[in-house]
Amino acid sequence: DSGVTQTPKHLITATGQRVTLRCSPRSGDLSVYWYQQSLDQGLQFLIQYYNGEERAKGNILERFSAQQFPDLHSELNLSSLELGDSALYFCASSVSVGPVGTDTQYFGPGTRLTVL
Amino acid sequence: QKEVEQDPGPLSVPEGAIVSLNCTYSNSAFQYFMWYRQYSRKGPELLMYTYSSGNKEDGRFTAQVDKSSKYISLFIRDSQPSDSATYLCAMSGDWDNTDKLIFGTGTRLQVFP
Repeated sequence: DSGVTQTPKHLITATGQRVTLRCSPRSGDLSVYWYQQSLDQGLQFLIQYYNGEERAKGNILERFSAQQFPDLHSELNLSSLELGDSALYFCASSVSVGPVGTDTQYFGPGTRLTVL
Repeated sequence: QKEVEQDPGPLSVPEGAIVSLNCTYSNSAFQYFMWYRQYSRKGPELLMYTYSSGNKEDGRFTAQVDKSSKYISLFIRDSQPSDSATYLCAMSGDWDNTDKLIFGTGTRLQVFP
């Protein structure tokens, strides 16, 4: 158990809908990362938050947004869902007090999103 | 061309074999190299971390980085059925002062008894 929790475990929804995925980082970790994992694209970095502020953006679509709250939990919002958004969405956290990616990222168990 | 290339496998070996997993990359700014292991229906977990070139050993696992060839490897000695998983390489650099990791697509390893 990595200490990172994600809810829900599974989500089935229809095209055009909006969903929210939730992540609670490990105790003491200030950074939260969101990744999308699909069979053809592998693990793709979406976005990183550090202590409530956006720190880095990856291949995140405009239909997707995220935030990190004062208690450090994070939410990833996916809207106008398309069939191609079906994937595993992972959250990871790290202490990340340094400027470079040397801190271990601990991954949660993921949320499996299925868009029908 | 992807920044990080990794053979998806599957790689099937008998128990006790030495396994070699590899990644190539194109961005010479990468300085931090990691290997993650991902069991089915689980999140990735960090196995090994290496900075710049050289070797690092941890038990049955050895990570190698050859920056001149832009090539990294993970060797698993005396492989066990419990090593059956997908192995992801990941890399980052400090050119943009973030903690962004670029992952390979993963190699699926099957170790049979």
